[in-house]
Amino acid sequence: KAGVTQTPRYLIKTRGQQVTLSCSPISGHRSVSWYQQTPGQGLQFLFEYFSETQRNKGNFPGRFSGRQFSNSRSEMNVSTLELGDSALYLCASSLVGPAGGNQPQHFGDGTRLSIL
Amino acid sequence: DQQVKQNSPSLSVQEGRISILNCDYTNSMFDYFLWYKKYPAEGPTFLISISSIKDKNEDGRFTVFLNKSAKHLSLHIVPSQPGDSAVYFCAARTNTGNQFYFGTGTSLTVIP
Repeated sequence: KAGVTQTPRYLIKTRGQQVTLSCSPISGHRSVSWYQQTPGQGLQFLFEYFSETQRNKGNFPGRFSGRQFSNSRSEMNVSTLELGDSALYLCASSLVGPAGGNQPQHFGDGTRLSIL
Repeated sequence: DQQVKQNSPSLSVQEGRISILNCDYTNSMFDYFLWYKKYPAEGPTFLISISSIKDKNEDGRFTVFLNKSAKHLSLHIVPSQPGDSAVYFCAARTNTGNQFYFGTGTSLTVIP
């Protein structure tokens, strides 16, 4: 069974540019969450999507946005990149449905974004 | 506001001994708890979970304990193996929420 796939694995951008990261969840998983991990920090929650709807959003500026497609694939976009956006961006999917339920999230290997 | 805390950034244990990783939380509405292991350059891997109706859950060498009154969670690894060397994250979620809250991680080193 294929896991969560994130592309690209590595990305180098310069300040002011924008970037789009992609995530393909495990087949059948409809919930997709995005996290930012920086050195010394835990996983900071960005947002969660279910059935193309954003259900939760973390405490990040509006430069960070996302969307989910009808096949549950998700993208996140960061505009006007800043040096502080350099991080590992992780995507996770789960079977959890609209009524909840105790299902773990499963993570991809992340996209390492470096801002020069 | 860090609702899930791992106060020990690192831990070293001899091979064969028990590793105990701790996690504290502040939100009494959390009712589902998980542990993840993360190797460098990989995403976190799900290890074990526990719901608030239990106080213990075992899976092979891994056991998670939940003390709801103390709002404390721990992961026991017995016996510890060098391959267990990784960063361990605890996470929690409420029964009505869709967001998981993660701790900052504990780096475990198992010394051969």
